[in-house]
Amino acid sequence: DTGVSQDPRHKITKRGQNVTFRCDPISEHNRLYWYRQTLGQGPEFLTYFQNEAQLEKSRLLSDRFSAERPKGSFSTLEIQRTEQGDSAMYLCASSLATYEQYFGPGTRLTVT
Amino acid sequence: GENVEQHPSTLSVQEGDSAVIKCTYSDSASNYFPWYKQELGKRPQLIIDIRSNVGEKKDQRIAVTLNKTAKHFSLHITETQPEDSAVYFCAASTVNSGYALNFGKGTSLLVTP
Repeated sequence: DTGVSQDPRHKITKRGQNVTFRCDPISEHNRLYWYRQTLGQGPEFLTYFQNEAQLEKSRLLSDRFSAERPKGSFSTLEIQRTEQGDSAMYLCASSLATYEQYFGPGTRLTVT
Repeated sequence: GENVEQHPSTLSVQEGDSAVIKCTYSDSASNYFPWYKQELGKRPQLIIDIRSNVGEKKDQRIAVTLNKTAKHFSLHITETQPEDSAVYFCAASTVNSGYALNFGKGTSLLVTP
C-alpha cells in the first residue's frame, strides 16, 4: 500500500497519560499535515511540516501537544497529560509541494 | 483566520437526481478549494478541487464552481447513485498558510434507491 499510513489505528488511554501517534506519508511527499476530527465535524488543522521544518501551528495545538518530523519522512504527534477533551480522530495528510492532500486512515483516541 | 460555512448539513435525494452543496469562505486570499468525501469510518478522500484562476471544473458526474467575487463555491453531483451516500466536506486554503485546509462542517448526503 503506497498511501498514507498511521499507527496505531485505535488508542485507549487514561486521563493524564501520554500518547504518541505515528504517520508515514506517501513516499517523496515533502509536506505533512496533522488534523483532528471530532464526531460530526470537519477536520481541524493542527500543524504542518515542509520536509523536517514545522512551519505552522494552529491555536488548537496547546503546550501539551508536540509534533516532530526528524528526517523529513515519518512524523510523530505526542499528547502529554491527556484530557477527555482530547478524544478525537487524529488524521495525517501528505502532499507533494502544494495543493492535493491525501489523508491517512487516522488514529482514534479515546481518553477515559 | 479563514471561516468556511457549508450548507445544507443534510441532504436526501432520490437516485438519479442531482445534489448541490454550497460553501462560503471569508478570507479573500484563499486560492485552493478541494472537496472531500468521507464514508463512515473511512478516511476523507479527495474527489475534486478547484484553484482560484478557474471558474468551473468537471470530472464525470461531479463538478465544482467557484465565484471569487462572492466568495462561494459549490459541488454538483449529477445522476446520483446510492454509493454517493457519504459526508462531503468543502475546504479552503491559502499559500500563506502552507495550504493548511480549513474545512466546513460537512454535508451528510443520502441517496435513496
